[in-house]
Amino acid sequence: GAVVSQHPSWVICKSGTSVKIECRSLDFQATTMFWYRQFPKQSLMLMATSNEGSKATYEQGVEKDKFLINHASLTLSTLTVTSAHPEDSSFYICSAGELAGVADTQYFGPGTRLTVL
Amino acid sequence: AQSVTQLDSQVPVFEEAPVELRCNYSSSVSVYLFWYVQYPNQGLQLLLKYLSGSTLVKGINGFEAEFNKSQTSFHLRKPSVHISDTAEYFCAVSDLPSNTGKLIFGQGTTLQVKP
Repeated sequence: GAVVSQHPSWVICKSGTSVKIECRSLDFQATTMFWYRQFPKQSLMLMATSNEGSKATYEQGVEKDKFLINHASLTLSTLTVTSAHPEDSSFYICSAGELAGVADTQYFGPGTRLTVL
Repeated sequence: AQSVTQLDSQVPVFEEAPVELRCNYSSSVSVYLFWYVQYPNQGLQLLLKYLSGSTLVKGINGFEAEFNKSQTSFHLRKPSVHISDTAEYFCAVSDLPSNTGKLIFGQGTTLQVKP
């Protein structure tokens, strides 16, 4: 099956620093990638939809200047948490879709746990 | 807009017993329906999906789900659970007309299988 990787799997950073998380589709080209955030014992909340070569579409309430998304190629999307603060600590999960607009071809990465001290 | 409600936050069950995890959705348009499983500190793995056709859908690890349009439900079942089924289970929907591929998740149900 299709494989999506994330790097790093976990990261600890100091408040005020920026952190970059990578999401890669390893054996397929992903026209669309999605970024989710998951708080402990809670569901996944969609943050943004990332399309290769265009600007990301952010969900309501998500600060686009704080969560920078870049989808520079068909196999890589990055999420940068800028000036991170403790409230940004969370589990960030990406998914990659083989076909744009078709939910049943999404594959999820293993997630990145961010802890901001 | 779509929404998903998982009616049970936790479901404790003994090993080899049957289990049902309930999911109801709300949508004014046709939807795709999914069940995902998440093991601790891992991403999501697709268990099964309903796109069209037969309302009874079989997935991996012995799970199945039945789409009931009149009751707007998509409950997940397994006739005999194992300890290894202990995990978080998420129901999700994706609407067809928007053509975005976005998934809306329910709150999750923790399945706790006891020996």
